[in-house]
Amino acid sequence: EPEVTQTPSHQVTQMGQEVILRCVPISNHLYFYWYRQILGQKVEFLVSFYNNEISEKSEIFDDQFSVERPDGSNFTLKIRSTKLEDSAMYFCAGKPQGSYNSPLHFGNGTRLTVT
Amino acid sequence: DQQVKQNSPSLSVQEGRISILNCDYTNSMFDYFLWYKKYPAEGPTFLISISSIKDKNEDGRFTVFLNKSAKHLSLHIVPSQPGDSAVYFCAANDETSYDKVIFGPGTSLSVIP
Repeated sequence: EPEVTQTPSHQVTQMGQEVILRCVPISNHLYFYWYRQILGQKVEFLVSFYNNEISEKSEIFDDQFSVERPDGSNFTLKIRSTKLEDSAMYFCAGKPQGSYNSPLHFGNGTRLTVT
Repeated sequence: DQQVKQNSPSLSVQEGRISILNCDYTNSMFDYFLWYKKYPAEGPTFLISISSIKDKNEDGRFTVFLNKSAKHLSLHIVPSQPGDSAVYFCAANDETSYDKVIFGPGTSLSVIP
């Protein structure tokens, strides 16, 4: 079964540094998402992306965050200047259809640790 | 702002018995509900869903019940198996913001052999 692939599995960075989290979605997916889960807390929506543009974003997704899909395959999340509170598991997800009742397919996540 | 609540952080059940995981929501605009299962070091995996026009959906050992008037849903697993041990997330979305799935905090289920 096709999988959503995320790299790296664990990223350690110093506060203030830029990080790029990478995701390779399933090939027939058209809608892409980033979610995060701070340790011990709920999974939170960050951003959705369709047709090469952001379709919706949460209040968490401020100017320090950006997403892009430059080559039609990789879907990336960039954090320009990381803060300690950005430490979390970041999950990429996708789905083939835009209908709201189509479930998300998640990757295994990237654990980001900001020191 | 907890729109989706799972008030039991953890639950232990004997193998073969029924597991009942509960979820409450506050947003009356939610009209589609999903359960995801998550093992350690993996992403959430879709388990089962229910539309607000139904009150029950069944898939093998998993049944989800929806009580719209009470804004409550539950996931029943019968019979429970050790491999069901995982964190279960209740999630919801609505047509006005279909991109944004709202997750509950999760319930950690342990099925004891």
